[in-house]
Order: sequence, then C-alpha cells, then structure tokens
Amino acid sequence: DAGITQSPRHKVTETGTPVTLRCHQTENHRYMYWYRQDPGHGLRLIHYSYGVKDTDKGEVSDGYSVSRSKTEDFLLTLESATSSQTSVYFCAISLRDAGGNEQFFGPGTRLTVL
Amino acid sequence: KQEVTQIPAALSVPEGENLVLNCSFTDSAIYNLQWFRQDPGKGLTSLLLIQSSQREQTSGRLNASLDKSSGRSTLYIAASQPGDSATYLCAVGGQNFVFGPGTRLSVLP
Repeated sequence: DAGITQSPRHKVTETGTPVTLRCHQTENHRYMYWYRQDPGHGLRLIHYSYGVKDTDKGEVSDGYSVSRSKTEDFLLTLESATSSQTSVYFCAISLRDAGGNEQFFGPGTRLTVL
Repeated sequence: KQEVTQIPAALSVPEGENLVLNCSFTDSAIYNLQWFRQDPGKGLTSLLLIQSSQREQTSGRLNASLDKSSGRSTLYIAASQPGDSATYLCAVGGQNFVFGPGTRLSVLP
C-alpha cells in the first residue's frame, strides 16, 4: 500500500461544468501521474508531475490541466467537461527517486459526464 | 513511439493449470517492465517489476521474464487458482510507462 487516495471516488456531472479530481499521497514521492482507462484504449497518460509546480503533458492531455502546489497533492482539472471525458481516472506514484521506478496506483475515480 | 501488445486478449483455464501470458513491445530502449493485475472495478495491483538489467523476477507462484533484444516479456503463473482470475497488464517503462491492453484471465474451479 503506497498510501494513495483519490477523491471523489465517483462523480456524475453535466457537460460544460468544471471538475477537479484530487490525488493524495502520504509518502512524499516526487513523481505522480494521472491516467484514464477506457475500454478499447487501455490506460493512457494524461499528465504527470516530477515535483512541486513541475508538470508535463502525457499522451492525452487536451482538455485537462493539472496542478501540484504541495508534494502530497496532485490535482486534475477538467475545465469544461465533455461526454468524451467519461472515464475511470487513476492516479499513480513512482518510486523513481528510489531508483526502482515501480509504479503504484490509487483506487480510481469513476467520472460520468452527461 | 513505444507500442505494447499482449497476447492472448482473453484466456480461460481449469484450476491447477500452469499458464503463460505474453507482452511484446516495439522499442527495446526501456528502463524496466512492470506486471499488474486488475480486478473488475478496482485499481491496479503491482505484481512484479523487472529492471532492464535483469532477466527475470519471481514472487510466489509468479515468474516474469524479460528479453529486451526481442521485445518480449512473459508472466508465468504456476498452479492457477480461481482467485487468480483478473486482467493482467504489462507496462513498459521508458521516459514514462506505456501500458498494454491486458489479458483477461478466468480460472475455472
């Protein structure tokens, strides 16, 4: 257990509304990631962070922004949610700073955009 | 761009059988490879991590091998049990991780 929590765990929202998902870790790992998982597409990287205020885009970053103001929190924001963003969102941390680069995942957030 | 495939997409076996899941990747310049299991509606659980300098890793009934030159990894599950039923994902670590689509395993009692 890498001490990763995600909130909310489930959310239903309407098209055009802003949505923020939170990932919280308890062990001060430097690298954090946001993925989405969709049938037929598998897990795809949205954004990642390699430190406070240090973030970069992943494969499917359009329509998403992130922020990391504290080591333990990584926020994913959908500025104006669309139905195509209905998905399960996973946060992960990496032990890259320990040399192992092993990833551990949070429990996921199921987001439905109507 | 790294591409990862997994064969078979689904597999159904009777309890007690030994089985092999396959993972292939196109770019051999990797840092490591990680195997996960995912139960329906749940998150990913890390099973094994193989560093690029290693050939295999073992944990209990699981053994994972890595052949970078051929772009392949295998996950061997010995004496399968119904509790092993899940989707198994491999992830190839380079600049970031790239995931395969998974193999859905059903172990029948």
